[in-house]
Amino acid sequence: EAGVVQSPRYKIIEKKQPVAFWCNPISGHNTLYWYLQNLGQGPELLIRYENEEAVDDSQLPKDRFSAERLKGVDSTLKIQPAELGDSAVYLCASSFGTVDTGELFFGEGSRLTVL
Amino acid sequence: AQSVTQPDIHITVSEGASLELRCNYSYGATPYLFWYVQSPGQGLQLLLKYFSGDTLVQGIKGFEAEFKRSQSSFNLRKPSVHWSDAAEYFCAVGANSGNTPLVFGKGTRLSVIA
Repeated sequence: EAGVVQSPRYKIIEKKQPVAFWCNPISGHNTLYWYLQNLGQGPELLIRYENEEAVDDSQLPKDRFSAERLKGVDSTLKIQPAELGDSAVYLCASSFGTVDTGELFFGEGSRLTVL
Repeated sequence: AQSVTQPDIHITVSEGASLELRCNYSYGATPYLFWYVQSPGQGLQLLLKYFSGDTLVQGIKGFEAEFKRSQSSFNLRKPSVHWSDAAEYFCAVGANSGNTPLVFGKGTRLSVIA
């Protein structure tokens, strides 16, 4: 069974440029999460989807970050414009069911470097 | 809101030695507790979880953890560490209401020496 797939694995951009990350969750997983992981820190939730609906986006900086999960399957996280402080790893995770029991399956992450 | 403290940023152990990684949580009710492991350049992998019942839980790769309500702790243990266990370990707590996200600790980096 395929795991959570993320792309790109690495991205280097100049500040003020846009960037997008893509995530394909495990088949059948209704819930999808985007986490931010800064160096030396644990993951922090950015947004959580249950099917197509964003049920928790309270930590998403909406002035520059946006996300979508069309058709309730794969998802895209966008940053526009990127800032130096956005350099981090962006992790996607998915879980089965719409109740958050915490049994998350993570992708390998997308490492962003903003110059 | 729940929170997690992992007091040790970095631990070094010799191969074959025993290991204990500490985790303390804060939550007003019975929490859901997890340990995840992250190898360099990889995503997080679930080692074990506690929802209810037996307070000693077994996980993958020979790891176990014990939930101690009186100490608000969920320490991870392994009797004999292998070099391949070198990684970052994250403790996480979830609310048993089911609709709040996991909160992760800052992690403990484990180094294994020969």
